[in-house]
Amino acid sequence: QAQVVESGGGVAQPGGSLRLSCSASEFSFGSYAMHWVRQAPGKGLDWVAVISYDGTNKYYADSVKGRFTISRDNSRKTLDLQMTSLKTADTGVYYCVRGHDRMDVWGQGTTVTVSS
Amino acid sequence: QSALTQPASVSGSPGQSITISCTGTSSDVGAYDYVSWYQQHPGRVPQLIIYDVSDRPSGISHRFSGSKSGNTASLAISGLQADDEADYYCCSYTTSGTRLFGTGTKVTVL
Repeated sequence: QAQVVESGGGVAQPGGSLRLSCSASEFSFGSYAMHWVRQAPGKGLDWVAVISYDGTNKYYADSVKGRFTISRDNSRKTLDLQMTSLKTADTGVYYCVRGHDRMDVWGQGTTVTVSS
Repeated sequence: QSALTQPASVSGSPGQSITISCTGTSSDVGAYDYVSWYQQHPGRVPQLIIYDVSDRPSGISHRFSGSKSGNTASLAISGLQADDEADYYCCSYTTSGTRLFGTGTKVTVL
């Protein structure tokens, strides 16, 4: 069964950095676009970024553009999200998600807390 | 990049049918047939229930159906059941290559 597992969440200060990782298994990772989606406590889903199956195309939400970088290593079946200049508004659960037009495989999420 | 507009809450009695709307613009919902819907129970991970406006993934009940007209997509749930009580989110591909989620709708089964 296709699965993705996130790691790397934690506590950071405003202005700080964190790097999230996602490990994929049981599917052809290099054939799928991958997303990061986040959810602030008690709030709705918020799309963050997407990377194409081969890594050549990357798109970001305006709220994170210039601060976050999405990348992937198809040989290792991993997806990363480098987060810099963190803001308190970046606090939430970050999900790694498979898909292009549909987001059909979600991880359990990793929690990021930005607080002084 | 404003979120797609959904009603905050919708309710219905068991067995009834309800519809959730998702309103965007000609740059997202109206541009492509790439609207998907997700169900999220409290404390759980979101689950895909509709993709490409009206297609259902394997294992999703036929009670869930999707449609689109212009810049508004809709999710219908027929034969409402207690387990349908959850939050529902629409999502659309945009002309910028980004994705946009809806504001979310809380469904209550009375």
